[in-house]
Parts: sequence; C-alpha cells; structure tokens
Amino acid sequence: DAKTTQPNSMESNEEEPVHLPCNHSTISGTDYIHWYRQLPSQGPEYVIHGLTSNVNNRMASLAIAEDRKSSTLILHRATLRDAAVYYCILIENNNNDMRFGAGTRLTVKP
Amino acid sequence: NAGVMQNPRHLVRRRGQEARLRCSPMKGHSHVYWYRQLPEEGLKFMVYLQKENIIDESGMPKERFSAEFPKEGPSILRIQQVVRGDSAAYFCASSPIGQGEQYFGPGTRLTVT
Repeated sequence: DAKTTQPNSMESNEEEPVHLPCNHSTISGTDYIHWYRQLPSQGPEYVIHGLTSNVNNRMASLAIAEDRKSSTLILHRATLRDAAVYYCILIENNNNDMRFGAGTRLTVKP
Repeated sequence: NAGVMQNPRHLVRRRGQEARLRCSPMKGHSHVYWYRQLPEEGLKFMVYLQKENIIDESGMPKERFSAEFPKEGPSILRIQQVVRGDSAAYFCASSPIGQGEQYFGPGTRLTVT
C-alpha cells in the first residue's frame, strides 16, 4: 500500500513555478523519497530522488521538510510538456521495491 | 544506448488465449520489474527479477501469470487463459543494480476481447 498522500490534481499556468506536495508522515529513517511522472500514453519517467537534503537536477528540485514528513517537487517553469501524473514514492533503503499511489495529475494551461 | 524496449506495443487476444509480453532491458541492466496499469488507475507492482532469478513476485496473481528473465534474451511476462479483466497496460522497467532509478519502457497494451 502506498505510504504517501498527494492531491488528486493541480493546475498551473505555463512558465510559472509549480509546487507539488507529498505527505509521508510515517516515513522511516531508511526511506528514500522518489518522484516519477507519467505523460499520457507513456511509461513512467524518473524525475528526482532524495533522502534528507534538498536536491536539484535539470528537471526539477526536491525540497524535503526537516522532519521528513513531507516533501515538495518544484518545477521552476512549467511547460505544456510537463502535463502528467506525478508520483511520490517511498523506497526503503533505496531498494527497488516501488509501490505507486494515485499520484497528482498536473494540468498546465497556456 | 537504446532504452527499455517492449514488444508488442499492442496485443489483442481472445478470452482463453495466451499472451506473451517481452521486455528487453537497457544494455548493462540485470534487474527487471513488471507493472500493470488498469485503465484510469495507477501502476501496480507485479514482479522483480534478476537474470535467472525471481526476487519478488508478491504482486503477481497466483494463477495464470508467470515471468522469467533468462540468461540470454528478453524478460517474458506470460498470461495464460486471458480474461477480460487482464486488459491493461503492462510496463517493464530495468535498473543496473537493485537500487535507485528505474528506467521504464513504453508499455504493452493488452486488450482481451
């Protein structure tokens, strides 16, 4: 069962930042926080992951709360191609035992 | 470096037939994972394999479904005696080690008529 809670849907305007929240109040010390996204009719795509510290890569930033009970995926400038379902997943010891939840469906308006 | 490849991309089977779904992992990847996505739902983990070994099959239905990842060749997900409820998108992913990022294929969309 998924151990994360995300809003069902969010909307954003093109070229504006998007903050996608994820609650994981029962996270354990060995759980890594992973984000994937799934564009329409495609397989999921890795976005970013972290353990305790905030992380940045070319796609996004991941802000992790100090108590690690929540995290936020930040898309700095949303484009129409960022419209997708975004999944926040906890993975124990970073082992590949992924359980997807329902995710957040992001709509980007021009 | 080619990505994860799955074939066929679309498969139509009549009830009672067998479905064979193939997954070729990325070059150098020895860990393969299969997921199923029912229409309008999220992905559900099915099975995790390394070459010649099933590591975790906790998400596989107990009957009619089997998976293998032989020493040579692609990983195969086999569904015997398909039923309408098996209609779904089946995704394969691979990773170089049993940790970190997984790379997904484009999926096989199975339709059972």
